[in-house]
Amino acid sequence: GENVEQHPSTLSVQEGDSAVIKCTYSDSASNYFPWYKQELGKRPQLIIDIRSNVGEKKDQRIAVTLNKTAKHFSLHITETQPEDSAVYFCAASNSGGYQKVTFGTGTKLQVIP
Amino acid sequence: EAGVVQSPRYKIIEKKQPVAFWCNPISGHNTLYWYLQNLGQGPELLIRYENEEAVDDSQLPKDRFSAERLKGVDSTLKIQPAELGDSAVYLCASRRDTTGELFFGEGSRLTVL
Repeated sequence: GENVEQHPSTLSVQEGDSAVIKCTYSDSASNYFPWYKQELGKRPQLIIDIRSNVGEKKDQRIAVTLNKTAKHFSLHITETQPEDSAVYFCAASNSGGYQKVTFGTGTKLQVIP
Repeated sequence: EAGVVQSPRYKIIEKKQPVAFWCNPISGHNTLYWYLQNLGQGPELLIRYENEEAVDDSQLPKDRFSAERLKGVDSTLKIQPAELGDSAVYLCASRRDTTGELFFGEGSRLTVL
């Protein structure tokens, strides 16, 4: 089955700096890669996703890049703000309707004001 | 639209007692997931339903866990008997057929004493 590894497990940045979280996956059939943000005590929520036919996607201060050859994808947050502090999960999903979704172990991001 | 609703939010039980969690997905979402989330970890799939059919239950410990999704809408996850290691958050999520985004409930936090 799919295995998703995520690094780092914790990340502290100064407000205004950039943050990068990296994930690798094992199943070459995976073709959908979402990122979820989970604030303390709350539900995970999708913040951005990318499909395998795209190498990069950007939405305001967040962007995701995908390298299918290396089976590697990353989340980039620029101009970080205190409200960006949360746990971020990457995930990979196989083809055929994005059915099975396998999550990484999470990155706890702390933005220091 | 209303989000995914789970109950109870918190449950404290003695080991060997039974417990049940309920999930009401977003209307029209055919796919329903139960995930287990341990503290500091990513969600781990327990079971996935397509309508009323359990299509992926390979990670469900069937000796003590059971689940059902009658009429392809609400779902119940049961543990009997509960063990200390079952203490975790049980997340329910739903998805429409045509998109990859998972919509999570707020989770049911189980503490087994």
